[in-house]
Amino acid sequence: SAVISQKPSRDICQRGTSLTIQCQVDSQVTMMFWYRQQPGQSLTLIATANQGSEATYESGFVIDKFPISRPNLTFSTLTVSNMSPEDSSIYLCSVAHVANTEAFFGQGTRLTVV
Amino acid sequence: SQKIEQNSEALNIQEGKTATLTCNYTNYSPAYLQWYRQDPGRGPVFLLLIRENEKEKRKERLKVTFDTTLKQSLFHITASQPADSATYLCALEGGTGNQFYFGTGTSLTVIP
Repeated sequence: SAVISQKPSRDICQRGTSLTIQCQVDSQVTMMFWYRQQPGQSLTLIATANQGSEATYESGFVIDKFPISRPNLTFSTLTVSNMSPEDSSIYLCSVAHVANTEAFFGQGTRLTVV
Repeated sequence: SQKIEQNSEALNIQEGKTATLTCNYTNYSPAYLQWYRQDPGRGPVFLLLIRENEKEKRKERLKVTFDTTLKQSLFHITASQPADSATYLCALEGGTGNQFYFGTGTSLTVIP
């Protein structure tokens, strides 16, 4: 298993600003992912965080808007840049020890942009 | 891209009955498929993983089937209880074996 700590748990931000979300895992993991879950919706994969290299983004998500860092095997950050109300969502960090296995999720960060 | 649909946004059943949830996909057949449970305000929690060469997987009151011909997975909860009320999500491996993508989700309510 893996215990994931996400910070902050929630925030209210002004449009045009940026917020960095942190994801800390209690053990080294191979895979780390960032998801977005809009109200009443399912999870949408934003990107795979790669240790020591640029993240791999899904269609519709770009690095300038969602820069991601992963300096080691237990930590990653997601920044939501130049926020607009459309960015209001829950952002979730997910990890897996190896590919093709179960994933573990953090509690999520509830972001409201006003 | 893969389109993943789960039947009905909401499902209500009586306590003690079997709940059956459906996950259909349209394109490539994934090497594996997972089911998760999500409670309000929480992240998803892993329930079961089934691989493409497995027809069925069981865990306590849970059963998952995987039909690669029909491009469908069925998720069953037998002897359902009010505590089983939650949103259930299927997730498909993305083709490269690394990332995975979630279905639309089904909200299950078990009525006492």
